[in-house]
Amino acid sequence: QKEVEQNSGPLSVPEGAIASLNCTYSDRGSQSFFWYRQYSGKSPELIMFIYSNGDKEDGRFTAQLNKASQYVSLLIRDSQPSDSATYLCAVGRDNQGGKLIFGQGTELSVKP
Amino acid sequence: EAQVTQNPRYLITVTGKKLTVTCSQNMNHEYMSWYRQDPGLGLRQIYYSMNVEVTDKGDVPEGYKVSRKEKRNFPLILESPSPNQTSLYFCASSPRAGKAFFGQGTRLTVV
Repeated sequence: QKEVEQNSGPLSVPEGAIASLNCTYSDRGSQSFFWYRQYSGKSPELIMFIYSNGDKEDGRFTAQLNKASQYVSLLIRDSQPSDSATYLCAVGRDNQGGKLIFGQGTELSVKP
Repeated sequence: EAQVTQNPRYLITVTGKKLTVTCSQNMNHEYMSWYRQDPGLGLRQIYYSMNVEVTDKGDVPEGYKVSRKEKRNFPLILESPSPNQTSLYFCASSPRAGKAFFGQGTRLTVV
């Protein structure tokens, strides 16, 4: 079992719809959770982070964390073609300092 | 401008010829890391550093070396590159674990 798992996609949604991206992790000691966006040919960029159970909203983005189910998700409301990218889930264990485990990423395509 | 700078951006080399990829950050971040990105395997951490002279192995450290003699620099050294180290490499820095700012990437080909 991979430590951090994501559906590779591609996930295709129409413009204006809600895109839902999911991630599961295997280590219950994980304490910090991150979502990165990577456009084709570019570097990953951090878009959301969450440390506590529940929802965290930032503009059109909502990160959701459920530690009991070892599940973290990213919702993108009012999806735009410019949201088309690969979304990477990353999990950190603060007791291991800078160690960060990434999922394989989910490719999102938003169709006009 | 806050940035992480990697050099070179592209490199083709031959098996066994030692090389160094440099990484420098101007944000005074404590944490720095190196990753490689391969199709189907995603981003995998090679080494990370929590401060000057403090480094630790990530998930795929074999065949790589790093050093952190200054806070701003974190070079990646391949003592004897092999074709299976052909990959896209990213350096990242962060003020705390996880919140990483990535460099532009270095595409390495070992023939």
